[in-house]
Formats: sequence, C-alpha cells, structure tokens
Amino acid sequence: EAGVAQSPRYKIIEKRQSVAFWCNPISGHATLYWYQQILGQGPKLLIQFQNNGVVDDSQLPKDRFSAERLKGVDSTLKIQPAKLEDSAVYLCASSPSGGRRDTQYFGPGTRLTVL
Amino acid sequence: AQKITQTQPGMFVQEKEAVTLDCTYDTSDQSYGLFWYKQPSSGEMIFLIYQGSYDEQNATEGRYSLNFQKARKSANLVISASQLGDSAMYFCATQAGDNDMRFGAGTRLTVKP
Repeated sequence: EAGVAQSPRYKIIEKRQSVAFWCNPISGHATLYWYQQILGQGPKLLIQFQNNGVVDDSQLPKDRFSAERLKGVDSTLKIQPAKLEDSAVYLCASSPSGGRRDTQYFGPGTRLTVL
Repeated sequence: AQKITQTQPGMFVQEKEAVTLDCTYDTSDQSYGLFWYKQPSSGEMIFLIYQGSYDEQNATEGRYSLNFQKARKSANLVISASQLGDSAMYFCATQAGDNDMRFGAGTRLTVKP
C-alpha cells in the first residue's frame, strides 16, 4: 500500500513570494491533515479535512494560508505572501476515518525556507 | 487544553540496551489516546504505538512498549534491544475530546555502537 505522498520535498523562496505544497493521502483515507513543524518543535495542526470539507482550521493563519481538498482526495496548501517565520517543515497526514483516536500516517514533508 | 511534556531533549543509549523516553500529559478528558511517533532525519513521522486511556494493559509493538501510568499522567516509551537505526527524534502525542492531536517537543535519541 502506497504511503502519503508530498511534493516538493524542498522549497526555497524569498519573503513575500507565494508557494504551494501538494499532498496525496493513502488511498481510501477520508481524513487529511496539514501540520507545520518549526525546527525544534513538535508538529502543530494547521487544518483538518474530512473528505472535502474542513473540520478544523482554527490554527490556520487565514490571512496568508489557504488549503483545499477538491474531490476529497488530493490537497494543496498555499502560502501567500510568505514571511520569514513560515520557514518550517509542512507535513501532510491521513487517517481512515478521522476518529478521535485514529492513527495518522504521515508523508515525508516539505521543507520550506523563506529568505 | 491538552499539554504534552517531554523533559529529555536528548538521550544516549548503547546498542542492544533498553532505553526509556519520558512523556507526561495534561488533559481533563477521561477518554483520550496516547501515541508515539519516530521521526528519522528523512523527516517522515512514523507511527510506533498507541495506548487508549481505558486500556487496562500496557501497549506493546515488537521492541516498543508503553509504560502507561494513568494516575501520574505518564506514558513513557520503552525501546528494548536498541539498534543503530533507532537513532531519531521521538514524539509523544495525545488526542482527547474533540481536540486535535497535540505533540510534545520531542526527544532526540542517539544509539551508540
């Protein structure tokens, strides 16, 4: 069974530019998550989708971050415009049903550097 | 609100020995789940083990076991017979109520040959 796929693996941009990340979850998984992991910290949830609907986006900085999950499968996360403090690893995860104690399976992440 | 504390920023262990990584949590929910993930230098978070708050027995998965002490709100990960490939960051996480999964700051484990 293929795991969670993410691209690109690395991205370097200058501040005020825009960037987009892509995630393809495990086939059949209804729930998709985007996390931000700043160096030296644990991941922090940005947004959670159940199929193609948003379940939780309370920690998403909506003035610059947006995400969508069209057709309930792939998802993209966009930052526009980027700030220096957005430098982090962006992790995508999926789980079968999004149940309260459902195991989440993570992709390899995208390491973003904002100069 | 949930809070996860991992007090050991870094740990060293000799190959083939056992090591315990500490995790304490704070939640007012009675029903919750505890998770441990491993993050090698490649960056991917790998699920290791899960413990439910109502599970009576400590969880085990191969060389991994979870020392769950509910009254102390602690969920320590025990890795037996350490291998060089166990060198990585280890994160404890909890999910309670309708809250999202919260992670600790992690512990960096280094296995020495």
